[in-house]
Amino acid sequence: GAGVSQTPSNKVTEKGKYVELRCDPISGHTALYWYRQSLGQGPEFLIYFQGTGAADDSGLPNDRFFAVRPEGSVSTLKIQRTERGDSAVYLCASSLVAESYNEQFFGPGTRLTVL
Amino acid sequence: GQSLEQPSEVTAVEGAIVQINCTYQTSGFYGLSWYQQHDGGAPTFLSYNALDGLEETGRFSSFLSRSDSYGYLLLQELQMKDSASYFCAGAYTGGFKTIFGAGTRLFVKA
Repeated sequence: GAGVSQTPSNKVTEKGKYVELRCDPISGHTALYWYRQSLGQGPEFLIYFQGTGAADDSGLPNDRFFAVRPEGSVSTLKIQRTERGDSAVYLCASSLVAESYNEQFFGPGTRLTVL
Repeated sequence: GQSLEQPSEVTAVEGAIVQINCTYQTSGFYGLSWYQQHDGGAPTFLSYNALDGLEETGRFSSFLSRSDSYGYLLLQELQMKDSASYFCAGAYTGGFKTIFGAGTRLFVKA
């Protein structure tokens, strides 16, 4: 079956612009996670959704970052007033059940470059 | 806090056995996972330990000792394709939040 998909695969934007990154999880997976990964580092937790609600958003770096999952499936990560430091690969993952220790299936990521 | 420490690089010879260690902070800790990531690829799940002891999955095994706040990933019969980054990841705060280590880059030489 289809895995986790993310669009766009690459996004180049200018400092101060607004961007939206989309994640389509595996069908039937109730848990969805967003991470960002910088070169040579591990994925950094941003937010976790269980169904439609954000169960843990403690990893969002500041109020410029926001994520939604209105119907409990597709999720969008929104970044306002982008800064050069936001440049990274943004990864989405989904899992069948709520607990993060269950296998998380990662998408290919969106590479965000802020000029 | 919630952080995990692992070596930055390990080099081993094809056919050998290699162990990648991981230490973690215990506050809110639930369990330890391991992920593999090839350059340019997405992380893929290898194993999870909730309880102390060894979990074996083919050539890969993972171990957890809660009393020592320590775990490791053991790779046997190394193959060139095992050259990749390996991340330990702790489940925290009710098991929902996953904190990754910085990764160990494994180089397998012929």
